[in-house]
Order: sequence, then C-alpha cells, then structure tokens
Amino acid sequence: TQLLEQSPQFLSIQEGENLTVYCNSSSVFSSLQWYRQEPGEGPVLLVTVVTGGEVKKLKRLTFQFGDARKDSSLHITAAQPGDTGLYLCAASDSWGKLQFGAGTQVVVTP
Amino acid sequence: ETGVTQTPRHLVMGMTNKKSLKCEQHLGHNAMYWYKQSAKKPLELMFVYSLEERVENNSVPSRFSPECPNSSHLFLHLHTLQPEDSALYLCASSQEFRAGGRHEQFFGPGTRLTVL
Repeated sequence: TQLLEQSPQFLSIQEGENLTVYCNSSSVFSSLQWYRQEPGEGPVLLVTVVTGGEVKKLKRLTFQFGDARKDSSLHITAAQPGDTGLYLCAASDSWGKLQFGAGTQVVVTP
Repeated sequence: ETGVTQTPRHLVMGMTNKKSLKCEQHLGHNAMYWYKQSAKKPLELMFVYSLEERVENNSVPSRFSPECPNSSHLFLHLHTLQPEDSALYLCASSQEFRAGGRHEQFFGPGTRLTVL
C-alpha cells in the first residue's frame, strides 16, 4: 500500500504559468518533506513542514501542510525552465523510515 | 568533496559478474541509506545503517549485500543480479535515524545500473 499519493503524475506548462502539485495520504504525519530531482541526479531537499496549516515560501515556491497533517501542496508561481524536475514528497512512518510518493514530473517549456 | 558522493555513476554488468557500489558522505551524519529507484515507481528503501549498524533490511534479495565499515562509507555488493535489478541506486545520509525523527536526507547522484 502506497502511503503517499502524488498528483498529477505529469505536468507540462509554459514559462510564466503557475502550477500546483499535491501529496495526499490517509495517515497523519509529524512532518513532511519535499524534494526535487533533476535528470541524472539524486533528490535535493527543498523544505520540511511540521505544523498543521503551516505555509513556507522558498522564492517562487509555496509549500503548505494540511491542517490535519495528512496532505501537502506545492505551488510554483511564474514557473521557469529551471523548475523542471521530478517533485517528490516524503514522510516518516511510525518506524522512522522515510516513505516517498511516486513523484510529479514537471516540465516547463520556454 | 562535499555532500554525498557515489561511484561509479554508471555500471553495466552481466548476470554472473560481481561488482560493488560505493558511497561516501562528508556531512558528519550518523545514518546512511541505500534506495532503489525504478521508472515510475516510488523510491524503495533497501537498507538503513545507523552508527554503522544495520537497522533495516527491507526484504531485499541476498544478491544485494551492504557493508558499512564506518559512519562515512557505505557499500553495496552485487552478485548474480537479474535484468529486473536494472535501476538507479541512490545513497543518502541523515543526521540520525530514530522513530519519530524527521530524517531529512541528503542524496548522492546515484549509480545507473544496467544488468544484461
């Protein structure tokens, strides 16, 4: 059973447009992380959200943790080609192991 | 070198070969991990080492054998692999590994493995 469901699986947009990707679960998490992975590289940690309802901003990226700490979203404003990559959400299960979603592949074309 | 490094970056091997993947972290972390990443599937955790002790073996076939000689180095020894083992193998480290921990992980670039 997949702990984290990410949607959409694939997103292709033009430069300058906005986009939102989602990470959902039926489980409650103490924290949730977002990573970005570019081709030929390992995932890179973008942010960790901890508190229900928390909103964190990283330049044009806005991360939100759901009030019930079961879901999260990532919103990118005015996307640029450099935002292209696989966006992964991850959360620790009760044993401390980090579970990853399958990811959302984002392609931003000039 | 900084962060997490992995060698080799690419590896092609036959089913009867024996090879090893190497990972080194320069972050002073106490936990290290091996993950398998296949196309369109979530990252699969294979092994976890905390303070050089294996704390997790996620039902991985015995043809994969990990080794952690010290807190900075991690190896994955491979033998008699199958074509379905072809994937990107990622090493990661975190400050610690414990129940309830955040385990923010720092990944290496991965080894792209192809088994013929």
